[in-house]
Amino acid sequence: AIQLTQSPSSLSASVGDRVTITCRASQGISSALAWYQQKPGKAPKLLIYDASSLESGVPSRFSGSGSGTDFTLTISSLQPEDFATYYCQQFNSYPTFGGGTKVQI
Amino acid sequence: EVQLVESGGGLVQPGGSLRLSCAASGFTFRSYEMNWVRQAPGKGPEWVSYISSSGSAIYYLDSVKGRFTISRDNAKNSLYLQMNSLRAEDTAVYYCARDGTPGQAGTYFDSWGQGTLVTVSS
Repeated sequence: AIQLTQSPSSLSASVGDRVTITCRASQGISSALAWYQQKPGKAPKLLIYDASSLESGVPSRFSGSGSGTDFTLTISSLQPEDFATYYCQQFNSYPTFGGGTKVQI
Repeated sequence: EVQLVESGGGLVQPGGSLRLSCAASGFTFRSYEMNWVRQAPGKGPEWVSYISSSGSAIYYLDSVKGRFTISRDNAKNSLYLQMNSLRAEDTAVYYCARDGTPGQAGTYFDSWGQGTLVTVSS
């Protein structure tokens, strides 16, 4: 199975900060990567698919980049509603998820 | 609006069985591939099973093969997961999730239900 390693596992930030989360795949996955946001007690919500495509309705402050084994999720200006846990997921083969990054104040 | 509503979770003893259901609405269910994804307490999500739009292609996580069975009824807009020989490590919130690209197997998940909690304990 393809393993995804996210870093950092948690970070502290303030409203207005630029936040970057990385996801590294154990083997090349082309652009078959998605990013999700999850808040406590809720289902994950799709933010980015195909590494850099923004899901409909998701604010443009979210962006994704990368291909092959190294990927990045960037929040350009952190908003209060963005404090959550973020997961990457690959779909080059049987789907797997990263360990998550908790963004907190 | 896409809606996925799971039901059927609960407390079950090790070795027991449960059948989860997912009622879909707001989209053409028969055109979409569907999945079950679970999340153990305090852990990240874990894909469990996939079924193609017609039901002809099915895949499972290795640890549930031979114990879980995914199925669907397109006439009833419903997805199911029959879980047998349950173990403590199957304890999780189970979500049904829609594939993001109809007609293309195994992609990302663009819509999720609210989840149903399965607890395996004596």
